[in-house]
Amino acid sequence: DTGVSQDPRHKITKRGQNVTFRCDPISEHNRLYWYRQTLGQGPEFLTYFQNEAQLEKSRLLSDRFSAERPKGSFSTLEIQRTEQGDSAMYLCASSFASGGIRTYEQYFGPGTRLTVT
Amino acid sequence: QKEVEQDPGPLSVPEGAIVSLNCTYSNSAFQYFMWYRQYSRKGPELLMYTYSSGNKEDGRFTAQVDKSSKYISLFIRDSQPSDSATYLCAMSFYGQNFVFGPGTRLSVLP
Repeated sequence: DTGVSQDPRHKITKRGQNVTFRCDPISEHNRLYWYRQTLGQGPEFLTYFQNEAQLEKSRLLSDRFSAERPKGSFSTLEIQRTEQGDSAMYLCASSFASGGIRTYEQYFGPGTRLTVT
Repeated sequence: QKEVEQDPGPLSVPEGAIVSLNCTYSNSAFQYFMWYRQYSRKGPELLMYTYSSGNKEDGRFTAQVDKSSKYISLFIRDSQPSDSATYLCAMSFYGQNFVFGPGTRLSVLP
């Protein structure tokens, strides 16, 4: 299977700890997105990369959140000093931004479920 | 007012029914409209996407966009129990920031 993969699938951490999630996009995809989803809500955009460049970050994204995509391949999302309100599903998606319609074919990974106790 | 609104459901229909799922939005600058299906504890799965106003059909699914009313719909014909999931609409300006609705939970009863 060559879909989007995320690791870990589940993470339980104590408040105040740092956590890091990894996303491996579909290999030919140059765009990578991070979203957060809470129960009963749709995914909320956090940030996205085109290749290794981080092009947009949500205004709602706290300074405790940082994302990287070294070499334009996999990406990591780090949350520092976690809070209980960070408990959510963190979703990664990728697409091939060609300037055409395929830009909108966004494929999601299975998500990382974070629980902050 | 939220940027994208959707009836949360849950919506329960008998197998074989035609299902209508709807979203309204406030920002007239949205150009591209998507529908995703999300099973419990899984990532969303892209079903269909359309550009601007009009209809698009794919098998049992039809997506409809009315930009003048800021209203989009997804119709599912001959619904099956395997269609039971949460359906998310999403919108984008130019493939950068995607804005999702809260989702409608659908149950198709055998």
